[in-house]
Amino acid sequence: DAGVIQSPRHEVTEMGQEVTLRCKPISGHDYLFWYRQTMMRGLELLIYFNNNVPIDDSGMPEDRFSAKMPNASFSTLKIQPSEPRDSAVYFCASSLTQYSYEQYFGPGTRLTVT
Amino acid sequence: GNSVTQMEGPVTLSEEAFLTINCTYTATGYPSLFWYVQYPGEGLQLLLKATKADDKGSNKGFEATYRKETTSFHLEKGSVQVSDSAVYFCALSSGAGNMLTFGGGTRLMVKP
Repeated sequence: DAGVIQSPRHEVTEMGQEVTLRCKPISGHDYLFWYRQTMMRGLELLIYFNNNVPIDDSGMPEDRFSAKMPNASFSTLKIQPSEPRDSAVYFCASSLTQYSYEQYFGPGTRLTVT
Repeated sequence: GNSVTQMEGPVTLSEEAFLTINCTYTATGYPSLFWYVQYPGEGLQLLLKATKADDKGSNKGFEATYRKETTSFHLEKGSVQVSDSAVYFCALSSGAGNMLTFGGGTRLMVKP
């Protein structure tokens, strides 16, 4: 299996621009998680999906952030408009079934907002 | 709520030294416990896990024992290598969906 795939790996954008991060989970996995990692705040869970349905988005910082999962093999995290404080590494992870708990992480997208 | 506390880093060791990274947790019920490792520029990878009290997880020379009486899951390795330099995260399952609660991470630096 190819593992969790994220794109782009690096994104540099100017403040105010829209940013879209993409994730392809491991085939067959029914949970998908979006995390943000910064030096100051560590690893934060933003939102997670089960069978393509958002279950908990309490970690989404504000309305500028939105996430979708239109099908079992694709998810997006969108920031509009972006701000310099959104600069971070964004990880997608997936897992299988309610009882396995093991999450498989993608390589991350390093976002820089100038 | 659930929480995980790890020792702050960085931890700097010489090659072949003994490693301990402390992890304690607060949780309701009977969580599963995990150690993840993050190498520079990469995502987190599962290193080992334990699903019930007194279980010992092990992988690549690393070990951790699920101690319910002390609510701890300390990571140990008898002889570290330069290639073990990474950030290590302790985590527990929350029971809600497949959510994990992560500690703040501990950076390990191993010098030749």
